[in-house]
Amino acid sequence: DAEITQSPRHKITETGRQVTLACHQTWNHNNMFWYRQDLGHGLRLIHYSYGVQDTNKGEVSDGYSVSRSNTEDLPLTLESAASSQTSVYFCASSHYRGDEQFFGPGTRLTVL
Amino acid sequence: KQEVTQIPAALSVPEGENLVLNCSFTDSAIYNLQWFRQDPGKGLTSLLLIQSSQREQTSGRLNASLDKSSGRSTLYIAASQPGDSATYLCAGYGSSNTGKLIFGQGTTLQVKP
Repeated sequence: DAEITQSPRHKITETGRQVTLACHQTWNHNNMFWYRQDLGHGLRLIHYSYGVQDTNKGEVSDGYSVSRSNTEDLPLTLESAASSQTSVYFCASSHYRGDEQFFGPGTRLTVL
Repeated sequence: KQEVTQIPAALSVPEGENLVLNCSFTDSAIYNLQWFRQDPGKGLTSLLLIQSSQREQTSGRLNASLDKSSGRSTLYIAASQPGDSATYLCAGYGSSNTGKLIFGQGTTLQVKP
């Protein structure tokens, strides 16, 4: 069955380190998204991609970057991790704009 | 700017009750709307997608409606069960050109045996 996976599921890192969270989907979806979920803020969009080499900033993109070199993967990089980036990160994908989005299981990131 | 609101933030009902979860949005030009379920510590599970041209969508004991003129969507759960306990989130697309979902804060449902 097609699916969307994230790794690692849990990560503890130190302030200032570079961290990369992986997202892989096997639906061959064009669109991929990264969200973070925090108490009191709900789900907020970090970056999104409508296709290979097409990436865009979301509402909370500062300190994060993405690149898309193939259809299946959209890794999220924290350039220099900060304590404010402690959160649960979700990756999602959809076939076309406005279509049903499917979410991965999430990565819980703690920055000490 | 489209905003999505879910009230109440929490709801507790006895098992077997039929219930309605509410979702309101500020811009009637909302495109498609999606309902999700999230269990504690888990990812989001898609329940239903209501397309802009539809008024409702059904899946098992779930029925979701979309009334763009009033800025409301409702998720009806029939004959609730303890296994329905979870947080329910609604999210809408602002237009047909955007792939970005705008999320409500969610309603946490507890169904008591």
